[in-house]
Amino acid sequence: AQTVTQSQPEMSVQEAETVTLSCTYDTSESDYYLFWYKQPPSRQMILVIRQEAYKQQNATENRFSVNFQKAAKSFSLKISDSQLGDAAMYFCAYRSVQGAQKLVFGQGTRLTINP
Amino acid sequence: NAGVTQTPKFRVLKTGQSMTLLCAQDMNHEYMYWYRQDPGMGLRLIHYSVGEGTTAKGEVPDGYNVSRLKKQNFLLGLESAAPSQTSVYFCASRPRPGAVNQPQHFGDGTRLSIL
Repeated sequence: AQTVTQSQPEMSVQEAETVTLSCTYDTSESDYYLFWYKQPPSRQMILVIRQEAYKQQNATENRFSVNFQKAAKSFSLKISDSQLGDAAMYFCAYRSVQGAQKLVFGQGTRLTINP
Repeated sequence: NAGVTQTPKFRVLKTGQSMTLLCAQDMNHEYMYWYRQDPGMGLRLIHYSVGEGTTAKGEVPDGYNVSRLKKQNFLLGLESAAPSQTSVYFCASRPRPGAVNQPQHFGDGTRLSIL
């Protein structure tokens, strides 16, 4: 079974600075998807960015980018020019390309933005 | 343009009571999922369905039952609620594999407290 680990329960960053959230995973599959979800106090699950394992190029979405290291099974999220609205819980998630394509989540990292 | 709608948004139950959470999606998605989110943990899969009339167990299925009588609805039932089932419940849906590659779409969650 796949597992996802986020080793940073909490992180904080100054507004306009850059922060990196860590995620590692374990799988025996060669093809899969990885995601970062944002959960603000409203409880909504908002997709931030996703990465296909077969793509070597790291995904980027505006101020959000990932560092995907397939051999190391590492998938970190970098937030540049942090904004107050980025404050939230961030979850890393894994999804197989086979079967029911269930999501396996990490424990989450609470990100605080200091003005 | 509702997406995934969960009913109710909040509920307080007494131990031993029963209730049903409703998830409805208007995107004609094949796959639907129920997750629970507990403090300090990521979302964990309870049950899922890959099509109308089919259901399967996820990671934490004990104490729950589900039904998918209609493609657009996925019901989660608690026959005899226990305090350990106090949690936030999320429903999600996505198209079947081979269709447009989309991530899971989440509802806004149901906060359930069992006294």
